[in-house]
Amino acid sequence: KQEVTQIPAALSVPEGENLVLNCSFTDSAIYNLQWFRQDPGKGLTSLLLIQSSQREQTSGRLNASLDKSSGRSTLYIAASQPGDSATYLCAVRRNQAGTALIFGKGTTLSVSS
Amino acid sequence: SAVISQKPSRDICQRGTSLTIQCQVDSQVTMMFWYRQQPGQSLTLIATANQGSEATYESGFVIDKFPISRPNLTFSTLTVSNMSPEDSSIYLCSVYSGRAGNEQFFGPGTRLTVL
Repeated sequence: KQEVTQIPAALSVPEGENLVLNCSFTDSAIYNLQWFRQDPGKGLTSLLLIQSSQREQTSGRLNASLDKSSGRSTLYIAASQPGDSATYLCAVRRNQAGTALIFGKGTTLSVSS
Repeated sequence: SAVISQKPSRDICQRGTSLTIQCQVDSQVTMMFWYRQQPGQSLTLIATANQGSEATYESGFVIDKFPISRPNLTFSTLTVSNMSPEDSSIYLCSVYSGRAGNEQFFGPGTRLTVL
């Protein structure tokens, strides 16, 4: 059974710092991996999607990497801002057949000004 | 990408009553997914809804408690029946869309509080 773990559970940093959020999964046979952002009491916003054949994806100040063989992904946030404060969720998809995502518990990030 | 709307956005309900949550997508999709997010927890899949067939429920979720309708390719409803305080959660619907249909998008969620 696939399990997704995110470390740390919470993180507080001052504005301007670069930071890394970690995600690990127990079954390396994934189709893709997605990173989401969730603001308090809100739905999920998709940040980055990495297919199993890819090593990384970038969007603005965000960079996500994937090492499928070791079951790990990282989300790198450069020059953090208070507006980055949110919960970041990592989720994996098992195969192409439209299966649902399996989520980690998330990392709650707080960036202070 | 897909644009998903949900109604209601939030509700406060009494124990023993039922609430139906609506999910509308701006494009036709084969599969729609319903998730639950309990307070302080991550998302758990309730069921997968395909148009024209019975929904497929995950372990721990049953049709009598969470009946789902999928009348067409852009719409679905989830009913939370005979509610108890333990049902207080955010309920989210989602679909695959985007490039090659690989990316999952979520609605804004329905925040349910059961007293």
